[in-house]
Amino acid sequence: GAVVSQHPSRVICKSGTSVKIECRSLDFQATTMFWYRQFPKKSLMLMATSNEGSKATYEQGVEKDKFLINHASLTLSTLTVTSAHPEDSSFYICSARAGQLKSEQFFGPGTRLTVL
Amino acid sequence: DAKTTQPTSMDCAEGRAANLPCNHSTISGNEYVYWYRQIHSQGPQYIIHGLKNNETNEMASLIITEDRKSSTLILPHATLRDTAVYYCIGREFGGADGLTFGKGTHLIIQP
Repeated sequence: GAVVSQHPSRVICKSGTSVKIECRSLDFQATTMFWYRQFPKKSLMLMATSNEGSKATYEQGVEKDKFLINHASLTLSTLTVTSAHPEDSSFYICSARAGQLKSEQFFGPGTRLTVL
Repeated sequence: DAKTTQPTSMDCAEGRAANLPCNHSTISGNEYVYWYRQIHSQGPQYIIHGLKNNETNEMASLIITEDRKSSTLILPHATLRDTAVYYCIGREFGGADGLTFGKGTHLIIQP
């Protein structure tokens, strides 16, 4: 149980285009989902917290207009990188929390974004 | 989340027990110790968590000192697939916030 998937696993796009990444909890309902970013040889950095049916909360320094997050259902959150630039190339990882009684977070496999 | 300190890297022979230490001297009374690991180019994987009692599951054992200032994650019979970066995180049970990852320990299992 507690499986989280991401799609796509890898994407290459041209500078200036937008890319959407999906995060799904496959066998549980996720009241909260989180988006992280990881640059090469660095640790994961939290970007934003997404609660179903409400606006995402962004960490300091993360542009909300550039990284659009939608959490329309209890099993799906999407991250859209708008007007992507080469510096946005990174490994994007989502995680899901099953509810207030669940303490651990379950992570997706990650999406490798390369912006040319 | 509590500040944690881990060695940058460790080696362990395949088949032996891997013991990964973590210092969390400023952990508060209601914060648990969580361990995650990240295999290269994959998302992190939850391993185990505990408050003050030792814990064991199918993946690992967690030994927490009585004063809770440090803990050790034990992989009893390490395999090559256990090569990963291991993160120790101190946080409240059921915390609604995202996780704060430190630099972790890069565990390399040697054949």
